[in-house]
Amino acid sequence: GQQVMQIPQYQHVQEGEDFTTYCNSSTTLSNIQWYKQRPGGHPVFLIQLVKSGEVKKQKRLTFQFGEAKKNSSLHITATQTTDVGTYFCAASRNPGTYKYIFGTGTRLKVLA
Amino acid sequence: GAVVSQHPSWVICKSGTSVKIECRSLDFQATTMFWYRQFPKQSLMLMATSNEGSKATYEQGVEKDKFLINHASLTLSTLTVTSAHPEDSSFYICSAVRSGSLQTQYFGPGTRLLVL
Repeated sequence: GQQVMQIPQYQHVQEGEDFTTYCNSSTTLSNIQWYKQRPGGHPVFLIQLVKSGEVKKQKRLTFQFGEAKKNSSLHITATQTTDVGTYFCAASRNPGTYKYIFGTGTRLKVLA
Repeated sequence: GAVVSQHPSWVICKSGTSVKIECRSLDFQATTMFWYRQFPKQSLMLMATSNEGSKATYEQGVEKDKFLINHASLTLSTLTVTSAHPEDSSFYICSAVRSGSLQTQYFGPGTRLLVL
Protein backbone atom coordinates (compact mmCIF):
# COMPACT_ATOMS: atom_id res chain seq x y z
CA GLY A 1 0.00 0.00 0.00
CA GLN A 2 0.88 3.62 -0.18
CA GLN A 3 3.49 4.67 2.37
CA VAL A 4 4.41 8.17 3.36
CA MET A 5 7.62 8.56 5.29
CA GLN A 6 8.94 11.64 6.99
CA ILE A 7 12.43 12.41 8.12
CA PRO A 8 13.70 13.15 10.60
CA GLN A 9 11.50 11.52 13.19
CA TYR A 10 12.65 13.96 15.86
CA GLN A 11 14.48 17.25 15.74
CA HIS A 12 15.72 19.40 18.56
CA VAL A 13 16.88 22.88 17.59
CA GLN A 14 18.01 25.95 19.42
CA GLU A 15 15.61 28.86 19.14
CA GLY A 16 16.55 30.89 16.09
CA GLU A 17 17.90 27.94 14.13
CA ASP A 18 16.24 26.70 10.97
CA PHE A 19 14.33 23.43 10.67
CA THR A 20 13.34 21.23 7.75
CA THR A 21 11.20 18.13 7.55
CA TYR A 22 10.98 15.97 4.46
CA CYS A 23 8.04 13.91 3.26
CA ASN A 24 8.52 11.07 0.79
CA SER A 25 5.97 8.91 -0.97
CA SER A 26 6.48 5.64 -2.79
CA THR A 27 3.94 6.70 -5.42
CA THR A 28 3.19 9.83 -7.43
CA LEU A 29 0.79 12.09 -5.61
CA SER A 30 -2.11 14.23 -6.69
CA ASN A 31 -1.56 16.74 -3.93
CA ILE A 32 -0.12 17.01 -0.46
CA GLN A 33 -1.17 18.80 2.68
CA TRP A 34 0.75 19.80 5.78
CA TYR A 35 -0.57 19.82 9.32
CA LYS A 36 0.76 20.85 12.71
CA GLN A 37 -0.23 19.07 15.89
CA ARG A 38 0.67 20.64 19.20
CA PRO A 39 1.27 18.31 22.16
CA GLY A 40 -2.11 17.11 23.42
CA GLY A 41 -3.92 18.78 20.54
CA HIS A 42 -5.36 17.86 17.20
CA PRO A 43 -3.93 18.43 13.72
CA VAL A 44 -4.36 21.88 12.28
CA PHE A 45 -4.26 22.44 8.54
CA LEU A 46 -1.34 24.53 7.32
CA ILE A 47 -1.33 24.37 3.53
CA GLN A 48 -2.05 22.35 0.41
CA LEU A 49 0.32 21.86 -2.54
CA VAL A 50 -1.01 20.72 -5.89
CA LYS A 51 1.36 21.64 -8.72
CA SER A 52 4.67 20.02 -9.54
CA GLY A 53 7.53 22.13 -8.17
CA GLU A 54 5.15 24.40 -6.30
CA VAL A 55 6.56 26.59 -3.55
CA LYS A 56 4.38 28.39 -1.02
CA LYS A 57 5.33 30.60 1.88
CA GLN A 58 3.58 31.47 5.11
CA LYS A 59 5.66 33.95 7.07
CA ARG A 60 8.62 31.85 8.31
CA LEU A 61 7.32 28.61 6.78
CA THR A 62 8.22 27.53 3.25
CA PHE A 63 6.53 24.55 1.65
CA GLN A 64 7.74 22.82 -1.48
CA PHE A 65 6.32 20.09 -3.69
CA GLY A 66 8.81 18.06 -5.66
CA GLU A 67 9.00 18.10 -9.44
CA ALA A 68 8.03 14.43 -9.60
CA LYS A 69 5.23 14.97 -7.08
CA LYS A 70 6.59 12.23 -4.86
CA ASN A 71 8.12 14.35 -2.13
CA SER A 72 7.62 17.55 -0.25
CA SER A 73 9.36 19.62 2.36
CA LEU A 74 8.55 22.11 5.06
CA HIS A 75 11.20 24.58 6.10
CA ILE A 76 10.93 26.87 9.10
CA THR A 77 13.28 29.83 9.26
CA ALA A 78 14.46 31.11 12.65
CA THR A 79 12.41 28.78 14.81
CA GLN A 80 10.52 30.06 17.82
CA THR A 81 9.26 28.18 20.88
CA THR A 82 5.76 28.44 19.47
CA ASP A 83 6.83 26.19 16.60
CA VAL A 84 6.99 23.21 18.95
CA GLY A 85 4.83 20.31 17.84
CA THR A 86 4.61 17.48 15.37
CA TYR A 87 4.44 18.27 11.68
CA PHE A 88 2.61 15.81 9.45
CA CYS A 89 2.33 15.68 5.72
CA ALA A 90 -0.81 14.09 4.32
CA ALA A 91 -0.76 12.68 0.83
CA SER A 92 -3.50 12.12 -1.68
CA ARG A 93 -2.93 9.92 -4.70
CA ASN A 94 -6.19 10.49 -6.52
CA PRO A 95 -7.44 13.90 -7.63
CA GLY A 96 -10.89 14.74 -6.43
CA THR A 97 -10.71 12.40 -3.46
CA TYR A 98 -10.76 13.60 0.09
CA LYS A 99 -8.85 10.59 1.35
CA TYR A 100 -5.38 11.33 2.66
CA ILE A 101 -2.66 9.15 4.11
CA PHE A 102 -0.70 10.79 6.89
CA GLY A 103 3.04 10.68 7.03
CA THR A 104 4.96 9.39 10.01
CA GLY A 105 5.45 12.90 11.35
CA THR A 106 8.40 14.93 12.59
CA ARG A 107 8.40 16.04 16.20
CA LEU A 108 10.07 19.40 16.66
CA LYS A 109 11.37 20.65 19.96
CA VAL A 110 12.72 24.18 20.21
CA LEU A 111 15.11 24.98 23.03
CA ALA A 112 15.00 28.54 24.33
CA GLY B 1 -15.72 29.11 10.68
CA ALA B 2 -15.17 25.40 10.01
CA VAL B 3 -15.46 24.15 13.58
CA VAL B 4 -15.68 20.45 14.32
CA SER B 5 -16.58 19.15 17.74
CA GLN B 6 -16.26 15.72 19.28
CA HIS B 7 -18.03 14.28 22.25
CA PRO B 8 -16.98 13.03 24.67
CA SER B 9 -13.48 14.46 24.92
CA TRP B 10 -12.38 11.51 26.99
CA VAL B 11 -13.94 8.33 28.29
CA ILE B 12 -12.96 5.51 30.58
CA CYS B 13 -14.90 2.27 30.29
CA LYS B 14 -14.77 -1.32 31.36
CA SER B 15 -13.70 -4.04 29.00
CA GLY B 16 -16.65 -5.46 27.06
CA THR B 17 -18.72 -2.30 26.98
CA SER B 18 -19.51 -0.20 23.92
CA VAL B 19 -18.58 3.43 23.53
CA LYS B 20 -20.12 5.92 21.13
CA ILE B 21 -18.17 8.96 19.93
CA GLU B 22 -19.88 11.81 18.13
CA CYS B 23 -18.34 14.08 15.54
CA ARG B 24 -20.20 17.23 14.54
CA SER B 25 -19.47 19.97 12.04
CA LEU B 26 -20.87 23.01 13.81
CA ASP B 27 -21.02 25.67 11.13
CA PHE B 28 -20.85 23.82 7.84
CA GLN B 29 -22.21 20.76 6.11
CA ALA B 30 -19.89 17.81 5.61
CA THR B 31 -20.80 15.10 3.15
CA THR B 32 -17.59 13.32 4.06
CA MET B 33 -16.04 12.72 7.43
CA PHE B 34 -13.03 10.65 8.36
CA TRP B 35 -12.20 8.69 11.47
CA TYR B 36 -8.62 8.26 12.59
CA ARG B 37 -6.92 6.71 15.56
CA GLN B 38 -3.62 7.82 16.96
CA PHE B 39 -1.45 5.96 19.44
CA PRO B 40 0.94 7.96 21.62
CA LYS B 41 3.74 9.59 19.66
CA GLN B 42 2.57 7.99 16.43
CA SER B 43 0.92 9.19 13.27
CA LEU B 44 -2.77 9.30 12.46
CA MET B 45 -4.05 6.05 11.02
CA LEU B 46 -7.11 6.38 8.82
CA MET B 47 -9.78 3.95 9.97
CA ALA B 48 -12.70 4.73 7.71
CA THR B 49 -14.38 7.22 5.44
CA SER B 50 -17.89 8.17 6.45
CA ASN B 51 -20.26 9.42 3.77
CA GLU B 52 -23.65 10.88 4.56
CA GLY B 53 -26.45 8.53 3.66
CA SER B 54 -24.29 5.58 2.70
CA LYS B 55 -22.18 2.88 4.28
CA ALA B 56 -18.76 3.77 5.56
CA THR B 57 -15.66 2.64 3.71
CA TYR B 58 -13.19 0.93 6.01
CA GLU B 59 -9.44 0.76 5.58
CA GLN B 60 -7.73 -2.58 5.34
CA GLY B 61 -7.37 -4.23 8.71
CA VAL B 62 -10.15 -2.26 10.41
CA GLU B 63 -13.01 -4.44 11.60
CA LYS B 64 -16.27 -2.89 10.48
CA ASP B 65 -18.29 -4.91 12.97
CA LYS B 66 -16.17 -3.62 15.81
CA PHE B 67 -16.03 0.00 14.75
CA LEU B 68 -19.55 0.93 13.71
CA ILE B 69 -19.87 4.19 11.82
CA ASN B 70 -23.09 6.03 11.14
CA HIS B 71 -23.30 9.27 9.17
CA ALA B 72 -26.95 10.10 9.66
CA SER B 73 -26.87 13.76 8.65
CA LEU B 74 -24.66 16.32 6.94
CA THR B 75 -23.35 17.47 10.30
CA LEU B 76 -23.05 14.33 12.38
CA SER B 77 -21.06 11.12 12.21
CA THR B 78 -20.77 8.63 15.05
CA LEU B 79 -18.19 5.95 15.77
CA THR B 80 -19.18 3.16 18.12
CA VAL B 81 -16.45 0.96 19.52
CA THR B 82 -18.26 -2.27 20.31
CA SER B 83 -17.14 -4.66 23.03
CA ALA B 84 -14.13 -2.51 23.77
CA HIS B 85 -10.89 -4.11 24.96
CA PRO B 86 -7.76 -2.54 26.45
CA GLU B 87 -6.02 -2.65 23.06
CA ASP B 88 -8.73 -0.31 21.73
CA SER B 89 -7.47 2.40 24.07
CA SER B 90 -6.35 5.23 21.84
CA PHE B 91 -6.94 8.79 20.70
CA TYR B 92 -9.78 8.85 18.17
CA ILE B 93 -9.99 11.89 15.92
CA CYS B 94 -12.56 12.76 13.31
CA SER B 95 -12.25 15.22 10.49
CA ALA B 96 -14.81 16.78 8.21
CA VAL B 97 -14.49 18.08 4.68
CA ARG B 98 -16.49 21.16 3.85
CA SER B 99 -18.03 21.07 0.41
CA GLY B 100 -16.02 23.19 -2.00
CA SER B 101 -13.17 23.63 0.46
CA LEU B 102 -10.41 22.37 -1.81
CA GLN B 103 -10.24 19.14 0.16
CA THR B 104 -9.24 20.78 3.42
CA GLN B 105 -9.91 18.58 6.42
CA TYR B 106 -11.05 20.22 9.62
CA PHE B 107 -10.22 18.12 12.61
CA GLY B 108 -12.17 17.66 15.78
CA PRO B 109 -10.39 17.95 19.15
CA GLY B 110 -10.27 14.17 19.54
CA THR B 111 -11.56 11.65 22.06
CA ARG B 112 -9.24 9.80 24.40
CA LEU B 113 -10.53 6.32 25.13
CA LEU B 114 -9.17 4.23 27.98
CA VAL B 115 -10.51 0.71 28.33
CA LEU B 116 -9.80 -0.94 31.65
